[in-house]
Amino acid sequence: QVQLVESGGGVVQPGRSLRLSCAASGFTFSSYGMHWVRQAPGKGLEWVGVIAYDGSNKYHADSVKGRFTISRDNSKNTLYLQMNSLRPEDTAVYYCAKSARSGYGIVIASLDEWGQGTLVTVSS
Amino acid sequence: DIQMTQSPSTLSASVGDRVTITCRASQNINSWLAWYQQKPGKAPKLLIYQASTLQSGVPSRFSGSGSGTEFTLTISSLQPDDSATYYCQQYNSYLYTFGQGTKLEIK
Repeated sequence: QVQLVESGGGVVQPGRSLRLSCAASGFTFSSYGMHWVRQAPGKGLEWVGVIAYDGSNKYHADSVKGRFTISRDNSKNTLYLQMNSLRPEDTAVYYCAKSARSGYGIVIASLDEWGQGTLVTVSS
Repeated sequence: DIQMTQSPSTLSASVGDRVTITCRASQNINSWLAWYQQKPGKAPKLLIYQASTLQSGVPSRFSGSGSGTEFTLTISSLQPDDSATYYCQQYNSYLYTFGQGTKLEIK
């Protein structure tokens, strides 16, 4: 079955960097676009960004554009989120999620599988 | 960016009730809308995609309808296990957005 396992969360000071990972198994990772979604404590879901199946295209939410970068390594079945210049308002549980449809480029589709999330706390 | 507005924000209903949650988009999103269920401490779960298609394994008491800018999620006969927060999400553009969520409580 599909498994998505996030790691790399923790406590980090404002202005510092952190890289999250999402290890995928149970499906052909290299065929699907992948997303990051976050959820601040007690708040709703916020979409962070998407990367195409081969990493050739990516889009980020305005709230993280220029600070966060999504990437992937299909040889390792792993998705990444590089987070720079972190702010207290970036404190959240970060989920990776799989696009429900495979295909070339950025395939617009719902998110049918989610990881369990990893908590990032930005605090001095 | 496309804004998604859900109503109500909270909802309390009894087992067996018919429950409806509404989601409005700030512009036409055709039928590119999904509904998710999230329970405390858990990841969201896809319930419905393309506005009205039930995800595999989801009970048939859940249904979705709508197109354009107005959408609804209906639970035909509320069960205790349906206590959760429900989110709509548009995927009409590359920049996805979620509604703010509707917390459903069982009386």
